[in-house]
Amino acid sequence: QVQLQESGPGLVKPSQTLSLTCTVSGVSISTADYYWDWIRQPAGKGLEWIGRFSTSETPNYNPSLNSRVTISVDTSKNQFSLKLSSVTAADTAVYYCARGRSHFDYWGQGTLVTVSS
Amino acid sequence: DIQMTQSPSSLSASVGDRVTITCRASQTIGSYLNWYQQKPGKAPKLLIFAASSLRSGVPSRFSGSGSGTDFTLTITNLQPEDFAAYYCQQSFSSPLTFGPGTKVDVK
Repeated sequence: QVQLQESGPGLVKPSQTLSLTCTVSGVSISTADYYWDWIRQPAGKGLEWIGRFSTSETPNYNPSLNSRVTISVDTSKNQFSLKLSSVTAADTAVYYCARGRSHFDYWGQGTLVTVSS
Repeated sequence: DIQMTQSPSSLSASVGDRVTITCRASQTIGSYLNWYQQKPGKAPKLLIFAASSLRSGVPSRFSGSGSGTDFTLTITNLQPEDFAAYYCQQSFSSPLTFGPGTKVDVK
């Protein structure tokens, strides 16, 4: 059974870097069959795709966040991570990790990250 | 970027109703269109992929249709557990984009 779980600080100060980790179980993230994605959702708003990683391709990021986003992987821990730099209040959202192909078929439960001093 | 629009933004319905939600892409996306259901405080769940393919385990009252730029999600015989928000998403090109959502609530 595929499961994803986000973890990381729930509060980040403005201008600092948001760091989250997604731990995957039930499937190896090393497989080239899937993408591993980050998606976010501000409270009461819609979904925004942040970016994705695959072992067979270079990471692909949303241009709206491109210069601030880094997605990396630790295959030994079956985890992938998100770093978003220079955060502002506009980055306050629930952050989801998900497994992607042409669709997102498995999602983590989401983690709320608040940007505030 | 491909812009996704949905209509209506919200609708009120009763158990047993037939509900139709429309999604439109700003350019042709073939059948690279997916539908998700999201309940408050929960992650979205995949319902339909590739415009019309029902995910395993999803009730058959959910169906999807369309291609190119215009797509439809239909729920027949609406059930109490179907009151939720529904999002379309295109996977034709990067950046992947979602529609703004349609909230289905109780009439």
